[in-house]
Amino acid sequence: DADVTQTPRNRITKTGKRIMLECSQTKGHDRMYWYRQDPGLGLRLIYYSFDVKDINKGEISDGYSVSRQAQAKFSLSLESAIPNQTALYFCATSPTGVANTGELFFGEGSRLTVL
Amino acid sequence: TQLLEQSPQFLSIQEGENLTVYCNSSSVFSSLQWYRQEPGEGPVLLVTVVTGGEVKKLKRLTFQFGDARKDSSLHITAAQPGDTGLYLCAGVLGAGSYQLTFGKGTKLSVIP
Repeated sequence: DADVTQTPRNRITKTGKRIMLECSQTKGHDRMYWYRQDPGLGLRLIYYSFDVKDINKGEISDGYSVSRQAQAKFSLSLESAIPNQTALYFCATSPTGVANTGELFFGEGSRLTVL
Repeated sequence: TQLLEQSPQFLSIQEGENLTVYCNSSSVFSSLQWYRQEPGEGPVLLVTVVTGGEVKKLKRLTFQFGDARKDSSLHITAAQPGDTGLYLCAGVLGAGSYQLTFGKGTKLSVIP
């Protein structure tokens, strides 16, 4: 079983709909992240959380919100989806520690298409 | 402006050939990582380099971190079709930083 699990893996929706992508992890890591990946643009950080009470915006947070329900769960919501939010979304985790050098452990991705 | 520039963007080679891909920046990184991503999957960490001039080997893959910690290279010897994928470099800007900055990647195709 995957250490970082994302659901759904694929979703097609219409403009204006509310969408939630969920992420759960069994790695025991405190830090969790949401990225989106677009062809030619690479991976860009949407939001990140260092613990259950901590939420931080990344470089492209507009149009998105997140919820850290537990150490192991971090969900991403699109309140009103628009076509330019069509992308591949990744959840990732990383450990916290003195020697932390930022290594990320990714889920398998959620492909979202907004029509 | 892209903080980490990867080159080439695309690379198609024959099985058995050697290749090098590059990750360059004008900024100094406290550490730098290389990931490989296969279609339909998330990126998987290959290596982390933290010391200027450091060289790490992973079977047929050799990673080097520049002396000034502004650039890195990945060399693959005798490429195999299983090496096909998107190679991403990612760096941490400061010792106290939490955030990885990604390059756009090099898409490698190894033809049997």
